[in-house]
Amino acid sequence: NAGVTQTPKFQVLKTGQSMTLQCAQDMNHEYMSWYRQDPGMGLRLIHYSVGAGITDQGEVPNGYNVSRSTTEDFPLRLLSAAPSQTSVYFCASSYLRQGSSQHFGDGTRLSIL
Amino acid sequence: GIQVEQSPPDLILQEGANSTLRCNFSDSVNNLQWFHQNPWGQLINLFYIPSGTKQNGRLSATTVATERYSLLYISSSQTTDSGVYFCAVVRVSGSARQLTFGSGTQLTVLP
Repeated sequence: NAGVTQTPKFQVLKTGQSMTLQCAQDMNHEYMSWYRQDPGMGLRLIHYSVGAGITDQGEVPNGYNVSRSTTEDFPLRLLSAAPSQTSVYFCASSYLRQGSSQHFGDGTRLSIL
Repeated sequence: GIQVEQSPPDLILQEGANSTLRCNFSDSVNNLQWFHQNPWGQLINLFYIPSGTKQNGRLSATTVATERYSLLYISSSQTTDSGVYFCAVVRVSGSARQLTFGSGTQLTVLP
């Protein structure tokens, strides 16, 4: 019963480097999303997807790309890391139907030097 | 966009005490969830409660959608209850299911 799995748990990058944060869920959820959490704040939506092949922007999408080639996976790409992207990143998934609560992964702590 | 305010921002309790956390939101919502973020940073679902009252052990929650607030009750608090409690609301707009989070209540339970 894995739920939502995020890898890696920790990562340190240099400014300008690129990387991909992985997210996988085994609950056959249609809806997947990425959030970032900055100190003392709640989570803010970066990108979301309602199914394979469909993605859209959230509240803070700049500097991030996503794709959804399968129902299970929803990777988040940082194209050219900047110190402002230092944050904790959470992936979440849910069914699309009304009444479905969102389930979160354990997060990826990312530091950009 | 919708505003979500939580109070109090910080709360310190002695083990065994009861507490009430409040979440106010500025517009009608489709869903409301309460989360506990433990000291390891994990977000744990507590309740999905767009309206009405639910109970789970020592925790219960009530949402009065018409008055745009929700309350989380913690009874007989334990040190393991420490962490940040977030309220998050959802307004369904087309295909988006964006959760808008409050800034949280930091709870510390002392032994």
